Amino acid sequence: AQSVTQLGSHVSVSEGALVLLRCNYSSSVPPYLFWYVQYPNQGLQLLLKYTSAATLVKGINGFEAEFKKSETSFHLTKPSAHMSDAAEYFCAVSDPPGNQFYFGTGTSLTVIP
Amino acid sequence: NAGVTQTPKFRILKIGQSMTLQCTQDMNHNYMYWYRQDPGMGLKLIYYSVGAGITDKGEVPNGYNVSRSTTEDFPLRLELAAPSQTSVYFCASRHTGPEAFFGQGTRLTVV
Repeated sequence: AQSVTQLGSHVSVSEGALVLLRCNYSSSVPPYLFWYVQYPNQGLQLLLKYTSAATLVKGINGFEAEFKKSETSFHLTKPSAHMSDAAEYFCAVSDPPGNQFYFGTGTSLTVIP
Repeated sequence: NAGVTQTPKFRILKIGQSMTLQCTQDMNHNYMYWYRQDPGMGLKLIYYSVGAGITDKGEVPNGYNVSRSTTEDFPLRLELAAPSQTSVYFCASRHTGPEAFFGQGTRLTVV
């Protein structure tokens, strides 16, 4: 069975500081991995995805994530936090061909001015 | 191009009542999904469909039913609403690519 663990349900960073949101997965086969962002009272928006191509994946709004098979991790980073980054972030995994997605419990990011 | 559209956005239901959450997509996606989101729990898959006429259970299907008579529509039915079904429900769809596209959600309260 697949599962996703997001370490830290709440993360606070100062504006301009590094953002690091952690995600570890378990999967029996090389997975697809995703980061989604959810703003208040909205649906989920795809930030980036990993599908077995380059291990460093760049997404929208300056975010990127690195797939590390040896650590079964897919951590999300952004060099400099902006106030507009405050949101809930979800890591998700699926086995190809992606019939089912499994989500982590989410990390709420607060950006302090 | 509207994407994935869910109706209603909000609903209050009494215990024992029934209702249908509507989901429609205009992207000609074969795959469609229903999730529920509870605080601190992430998203849990209720049902999914890989094409018209084909549906399958996810992690938490009890108390729900679905149908998929057309490619565009994937309604979720609650027959006897219970307080445990108070949640935010998200519909999503996917084409041949790996990522899913989500609707704006339906916030359901059962009292």
